[in-house]
Amino acid sequence: GENVEQHPSTLSVQEGDSAVIKCTYSDSASNYFPWYKQELGKRPQLIIDIRSNVGEKKDQRIAVTLNKTAKHFSLHITETQPEDSAVYFCAARGGRYKLSFGAGTTVTVRA
Amino acid sequence: DGGITQSPKYLFRKEGQNVTLSCEQNLNHDAMYWYRQDPGQGLRLIYYSQIVNDFQKGDIAEGYSVSREKKESFPLTVTSAQKNPTAFYLCASSISGTGDSEQFFGPGTRLTVL
Repeated sequence: GENVEQHPSTLSVQEGDSAVIKCTYSDSASNYFPWYKQELGKRPQLIIDIRSNVGEKKDQRIAVTLNKTAKHFSLHITETQPEDSAVYFCAARGGRYKLSFGAGTTVTVRA
Repeated sequence: DGGITQSPKYLFRKEGQNVTLSCEQNLNHDAMYWYRQDPGQGLRLIYYSQIVNDFQKGDIAEGYSVSREKKESFPLTVTSAQKNPTAFYLCASSISGTGDSEQFFGPGTRLTVL
């Protein structure tokens, strides 16, 4: 089955700086890669996703890049703000139409 | 907040007992999922259902059982065969079962085995 690895596990950034989270996947047939954000005490919510026919996607301060050859994808957050503090999960859709999630990255934005 | 609910919020169980976690959605979604969340391990899929009256095992199905008799409901039973059931359980639903549509999560149930 699909195996997703996510790095780093924790990330501390100064407010206004950028944050980058990287994920790798194992199944070359995977074609859908969402990112979920889980704030403390809340449920995970989708923030952005990318499909395998696209190399990059942006939505305001967040962007995701995909390198199918290397089987990795990354989340970029620019101009970080305190409300960006949360746990971020990457995921990949492999076989059997199910998502496999990474272990998560705890992002802390320092004021 | 998304139309998907879980109950109870907290659940305590004695060893050897089966417990059932409730998950209901009013989003008219075809697919529903159960995940287990442990610190440092992300979200691990227990069972999923792409359509009513059908379900498949996820990555960690041992010691769990589900049913999908109604489109709106996908209860999860944690049996006494589950060796380490203390965890946070999240239910989710999506409009289709193809795995490439947004999943909407419930608020979760925290299960503690005493």
